[in-house]
Amino acid sequence: QSVLTQPPSVSAAPGQRVTISCSGSSSNIGNNYVSWYQQLPGTAPKLLIYDNNKRPSGSPDRFSGSKSGTSATLGITGLQTGDEADYYCGTWDTSLSVYVFGTGTKVTVL
Amino acid sequence: EVQLVESGGVVVQSGGSLRLSCAASGFTFDDYTMHWVRQAPGKGLEWVSLISWDGGRIDYADSVKGRFTISRDNSKNSLYLQMNSLRIEDTALYYCAKDSRMYSSSWYSFGYWGQGALVTVSS
Repeated sequence: QSVLTQPPSVSAAPGQRVTISCSGSSSNIGNNYVSWYQQLPGTAPKLLIYDNNKRPSGSPDRFSGSKSGTSATLGITGLQTGDEADYYCGTWDTSLSVYVFGTGTKVTVL
Repeated sequence: EVQLVESGGVVVQSGGSLRLSCAASGFTFDDYTMHWVRQAPGKGLEWVSLISWDGGRIDYADSVKGRFTISRDNSKNSLYLQMNSLRIEDTALYYCAKDSRMYSSSWYSFGYWGQGALVTVSS
């Protein structure tokens, strides 16, 4: 059972904006950097955002990350059909000494 | 180009053992903490274990502690996961992942992933 909670699914029309929330606690999100991963169907996950809001090279600027307190948010603007995937947040949990992933959110482009 | 290639995934009986390997290339292997992450069929991601660049720090998920052992051979640019006392619930695709940051010791993120090795534990 994951300690980071995400909505099971979000959807929007092409070109629209969606946000995905990730809720945790002071032992994980509250005191550590958050990363976001995209997993396209049948492929390995890919890093989209690290250190709360930084994009690795190759990650489109349509993707953005933010953190406030014990929650984090991934934003996707200009939604494309190619963005249909599962998205996971993740961070280190200092109390448990483990890396924790969110429950995952499926993005559907209507 | 960073490449991570897992091998060793097979079908094994419950209670059995297995060793996964991950061959790394395209980066200075002994500068990076490495991780194993697994994904059961149709399920989400679960972090399994990490080993620091020099092997000095090792951590495990509670679900595998005492049964799995992570190790690395920096001379061979290779990461390993020895899996003992396997259970049905260990059935998953096991990914090898490279940390994003050199010499990371707490703020982890997984910058590169392999394609995974499928481990199936049967009864």
